[in-house]
Amino acid sequence: GAGVSQTPSNKVTEKGKYVELRCDPISGHTALYWYRQSLGQGPEFLIYFQGTGAADDSGLPNDRFFAVRPEGSVSTLKIQRTERGDSAVYLCASSQGVGYTDTQYFGPGTRLTVL
Amino acid sequence: TQLLEQSPQFLSIQEGENLTVYCNSSSVFSSLQWYRQEPGEGPVLLVTVVTGGEVKKLKRLTFQFGDARKDSSLHITAAQTGDTGLYLCAGRNSNSGYALNFGKGTSLLVTP
Repeated sequence: GAGVSQTPSNKVTEKGKYVELRCDPISGHTALYWYRQSLGQGPEFLIYFQGTGAADDSGLPNDRFFAVRPEGSVSTLKIQRTERGDSAVYLCASSQGVGYTDTQYFGPGTRLTVL
Repeated sequence: TQLLEQSPQFLSIQEGENLTVYCNSSSVFSSLQWYRQEPGEGPVLLVTVVTGGEVKKLKRLTFQFGDARKDSSLHITAAQTGDTGLYLCAGRNSNSGYALNFGKGTSLLVTP
């Protein structure tokens, strides 16, 4: 059974460019989460999907960030007009349910560097 | 905003020693989880605690949830080099919804 996969593993871009980060969750998991982990910090929540809809996007820092999950499986995090402060590891997680004890399984992350 | 404070931030010990790391908050959590993260990888769940005063053991690791469900500790007995990594606590409550609130983590280095 494959775990959560994320592509690319590393992305280097220039300030002002547009980037897309992809997440393939564990098959059958209905819930999908995006987190951002800056150096020396724990992961910070960005957005959560239940099926195809974004159930909670309160963690997105501003309107340059957007995420989709059109078919309820693969998700793409999109960042417009990237800034140096966007540099971080972007983690995706999925879970079978959404209860307080449900396990979120994390992917290895995409390390984004904005020059 | 990270509601969970972890201490110590860094810890370097020799193999065979015991250690305890702490996770504290002013908020009450419905559940609290401990993860271990290695470089270049995502966090991996170690344990979930939900009941105040709960103690769970995982081999040489002992996890405790505070009576008021605001704090937790992780104790490792006879540390091994394979225990090296970043230990993160994460809580969930009605304010956080489905999101995990993570602390900054404790970076543990176990040397031979």
